[in-house]
Order: sequence, then structure tokens, then C-alpha cells
Amino acid sequence: DGGITQSPKYLFRKEGQNVTLSCEQNLNHDAMYWYRQDPGQGLRLIYYSQIVNDFQKGDIAEGYSVSREKKESFPLTVTSAQKNPTAFYLCASSIDWDYGYTFGSGTRLTVV
Amino acid sequence: DAKTTQPTSMDCAEGRAANLPCNHSTISGNEYVYWYRQIHSQGPQYIIHGLKNNETNEMASLIITEDRKSSTLILPHATLRDTAVYYCIVREYNAGNMLTFGGGTRLMVKP
Repeated sequence: DGGITQSPKYLFRKEGQNVTLSCEQNLNHDAMYWYRQDPGQGLRLIYYSQIVNDFQKGDIAEGYSVSREKKESFPLTVTSAQKNPTAFYLCASSIDWDYGYTFGSGTRLTVV
Repeated sequence: DAKTTQPTSMDCAEGRAANLPCNHSTISGNEYVYWYRQIHSQGPQYIIHGLKNNETNEMASLIITEDRKSSTLILPHATLRDTAVYYCIVREYNAGNMLTFGGGTRLMVKP
């Protein structure tokens, strides 16, 4: 079955460490997105990519970095510059701008 | 993108229709209305979208008023598994316009 996979489901990080969240899709979608969700809040866009080797900052890109070397993969790195990284991170993809997004099941990151 | 206003929370009895309203009074002519839902600790799920005509699929119906300033998502026979946060989003017909998720409506379906 086609879908979008995020791993790991839960991630713990020590302060000052970088950590990379994986997002893989086999839907042949061109566009991919990363969102952050804090408890009781809506989703906020971190980065998005509409084509391989190209990506754009979203509303809250500071402290994060991404790459898009392959169509199927869009990893997100949470760097030590992100002051409050504890959150639920969601990856999504879409085939074109006017189609609905398909979301992964999310990664819950906790800084300890 | 136009902003949307939704009630913070709603209750619905199991088996009854759930009618979730959304106000988007500043919507422009080329903006679509999208609905998503998010079950606790999962990724949001696409439900339906439309421009100006009413739409129906296997999950729900979307009723958009003639002036397009508001819409209603209808779950015809709500079940306990429909308990979720429902997001109403408007998005312009342009590449690069992202989905912006607000607070949504927390729907509680009760037995």
C-alpha cells in the first residue's frame, strides 16, 4: 500500500544535540511538507519542498534544516539552535497544489 | 489566505448527524474550502474540499453558502470514531499556497 512513513514514533534528545526525523513516501508525490504541533494547538509550517533539490522556509523555520535529495525522502533536522524543540512533528505530501495532503503518523520529540 | 472561524468544541450523539460550521467571510473567488480532521496523536486526515458547489464523498458532505462566506461539514451518522479535531481551511488557487491549520473544532461524539 502506498503511504507516508515517519520514524521514529517517539524520540528523546538531550539539550544541545541535533536530531534528524525521517519522512519517506511511496506515493510518487512531488510536494512534501513539515509541520510542528504543540499541545492543544494547530499545525505550523516549518519547511516545504515542491520538487527535488528545492525547498522553502515556512512560518517557523528557525532552528530547523531540511534536504530533498530524492523525491521519496524529506528529512528534517532539529538543530541545537531550536530553543523549544519538544513537540509533535508531522510530515505530509501532495501530488499537486489542489489535492489534499496525505499525512504521516507523526514523531513526538522530547528534549530531556 | 482568508481566515476561518470555527467553534472551539461541539458535542454530538452517536448515530446523529454532526454539523460543523465554519465562517470564512473574507474568502476570495479563487479560494477553495478544505476540511481535515485529526484524531488524537495522529496525523490529520483529508476529508473533503470544494469551491462553490456542494460536495459529497464517502466520508462527509460539504455545504457552501451561495455567498461562500460560510460552510458546513456534515457527518451524516456520527460514530464514536469520529471524535476528533476538525479543521476548516481556505486556500488560494496558486502553487505554493500552503494549508494553514488554525485551532479547529473539537468534536466529541457521545454514546
